[in-house]
Amino acid sequence: DAGVIQSPRHEVTEMGQEVTLRCKPISGHDYLFWYRQTMMRGLELLIYFNNNVPIDDSGMPEDRFSAKMPNASFSTLKIQPSEPRDSAVYFCASSYDSRGSYGYTFGSGTRLTVV
Amino acid sequence: QQPVQSPQAVILREGEDAVINCSSSKALYSVHWYRQKHGEAPVFLMILLKGGEQKGHEKISASFNEKKQQSSLYLTASQLSYSGTYFCGTAILSSGSARQLTFGSGTQLTVLP
Repeated sequence: DAGVIQSPRHEVTEMGQEVTLRCKPISGHDYLFWYRQTMMRGLELLIYFNNNVPIDDSGMPEDRFSAKMPNASFSTLKIQPSEPRDSAVYFCASSYDSRGSYGYTFGSGTRLTVV
Repeated sequence: QQPVQSPQAVILREGEDAVINCSSSKALYSVHWYRQKHGEAPVFLMILLKGGEQKGHEKISASFNEKKQQSSLYLTASQLSYSGTYFCGTAILSSGSARQLTFGSGTQLTVLP
């Protein structure tokens, strides 16, 4: 298996623009998580899905953030409009279950810079 | 609900030992340990599911004290490749079921030659 695949690896955008981050989880993993990592706040859970259904989005910072999972092999995280404070590394992770009985597998991340 | 890790940073010489601690204010179902190297994704090291359980991964092992809601990661005879940031992730017990992982702020480990 190729692991969790994220794209793009780097994204630089201007404030106010729409940004879409993409993730392909490991086949057979029923849970998909979106995390954001910053120096100040560490790894924060934004939202997670079970079998393509959003379960907990309480970590999504604002209405500017939205996430979808149209099928078992694809998820997107969209920020519209983007702001400089959204600059961070965004990780997608997948797992067999929500508590990660066999561990979470993280993608390589998307480094987002909003100028 | 974020677990507390200590120390925040540690510097070792190759061959020395280190201990990283993780504690929670909530009853825990499980504790995970991950290592992240600079510019890379966190990589799963091990999971501890039962109170008192100890697991090992090469020269890296961990224990889980369910009563104290604490876990410790032990790195023995450290190697240069052990350098990185170590995170604990905890799944708490809530309403009889375990919840998703919340990560600590990390411990930066540097191994010098």
